[in-house]
Amino acid sequence: QVQLVQSGPEVKKPGASVKVSCKTSGYPFTSYFVHWVRLAPGQGPEWLGIINGHGGYTAYAEKFRGRVTMTRDPSTSTIYMELSSLRFEDTAVYYCARANLGDSDFDYWGQGSLVTVSS
Amino acid sequence: DIVLTQAPLSLPVALGQPASISCRSSQSLVYQDGTTFLSWLHQRPGQPPRLLIYKVSQRFSGVPDRFSGSGAGTDFTLKISRVEAEDVGIYYCLQTTQFRTFGQGTKLEIK
Repeated sequence: QVQLVQSGPEVKKPGASVKVSCKTSGYPFTSYFVHWVRLAPGQGPEWLGIINGHGGYTAYAEKFRGRVTMTRDPSTSTIYMELSSLRFEDTAVYYCARANLGDSDFDYWGQGSLVTVSS
Repeated sequence: DIVLTQAPLSLPVALGQPASISCRSSQSLVYQDGTTFLSWLHQRPGQPPRLLIYKVSQRFSGVPDRFSGSGAGTDFTLKISRVEAEDVGIYYCLQTTQFRTFGQGTKLEIK
């Protein structure tokens, strides 16, 4: 079955960077893109961007361009999302979700990774 | 950027009663090939979101048929024919026609 398993919670100071991982299984890694979405307390979800499992093509939301970097390791079927220059307002649960483009997009989700930015 | 506005933001419903959530888009969600990429997600407390409906009215695998989606252009609706206890949580609409944006969420609770 399709599974996306994310790394554990992180606590970071303002200005630092965080790297969250998303290990995928149960489907051909190079045939799908993966999204990253975050949910902050009291807010609606925000889309951060998308990465292709095959060639590593990326597209980032304008709000996060310059601060977010998405990479992948086909040898372990793992996707990474790094967010730099962290601010208090980056405190959120970060999710990866499989991209089934043109069809049932966002069809499978990771369990979420809590990132807390605190001094 | 496309903005999605949901209503209501809070929805108390008695068990067994119907429920309806509206999602309005700031611009048409019809893609150049004629497809409309509007989805609905459900998030239970402490869990990740899960896909319910995609392309306006297509139920995702395993989703009960008490959930249905409808609409066109800029106005969309999610309906639950008879609310069950497991339906509590937050419902989000999501458009993937132009980049991706989410609605702000509708919290369904049992009255």
